[in-house]
Amino acid sequence: QVQLVESGGGVVQPGRSLRLSCAASGFTFSTYGVHWVRQAPGKGLEWVAVISYDGSEEYYADSVKGRFTISRDNSKNTLYLQMNSLRAEDTALYYCVKDICTDSSCYVFDHWGQGTLATVSS
Amino acid sequence: EIVMTQSPATLSVSPGERATLSCRASQSVTTNVAWYQQKPGQAPRLLIYSRSTRATGVPARFSGSGSGTEFSLTISSLQSEDFAVYYCQQYNDWPPLTFGGGTKVEIK
Repeated sequence: QVQLVESGGGVVQPGRSLRLSCAASGFTFSTYGVHWVRQAPGKGLEWVAVISYDGSEEYYADSVKGRFTISRDNSKNTLYLQMNSLRAEDTALYYCVKDICTDSSCYVFDHWGQGTLATVSS
Repeated sequence: EIVMTQSPATLSVSPGERATLSCRASQSVTTNVAWYQQKPGQAPRLLIYSRSTRATGVPARFSGSGSGTEFSLTISSLQSEDFAVYYCQQYNDWPPLTFGGGTKVEIK
């Protein structure tokens, strides 16, 4: 079955960096777009970024554009999120999420990991 | 950016009753709306997409309707496992993909 396992979260000071990873299994990773979606403690869901199945296209929320970079390694079935210049408002549970469509993304999220918590605090 | 507004924020319902959750978009999203269920301590789960298509394994008591700017999720007869927070999401105009603020369905 589809599994998405995030890692890399932790406590970091404002202005510092963190790199999240997501190990995917149970499906042909290289044929699906994948997203990061975050949820601040006690709050709702916020879409962060998406990368196409082949890595040729990336899109970001305005709140993270220029600071975060999404990437993937299809040979390792792994998704990444490089987070730089972190702010207190980036504190959240970060979910790795699979798109429902193969090849061309549909932007519907059909499988979610359990999330990794990134806390930005001095 | 398309803003999705969900109402009510909290819905108190007795088991076995019908629940209707609403979601309004700030501009037309045609039928490109999905609904997710999130239980405490769990990741969200896809319920409905393309306005009314149930995701794999979702019980028939969940149904979606609407178009343009007004959408609803109906749970025909609430079961104990249905008490959760529900989010709508639009994917018609992006980036960004946007979610509503959520409706918590609680036991009356």
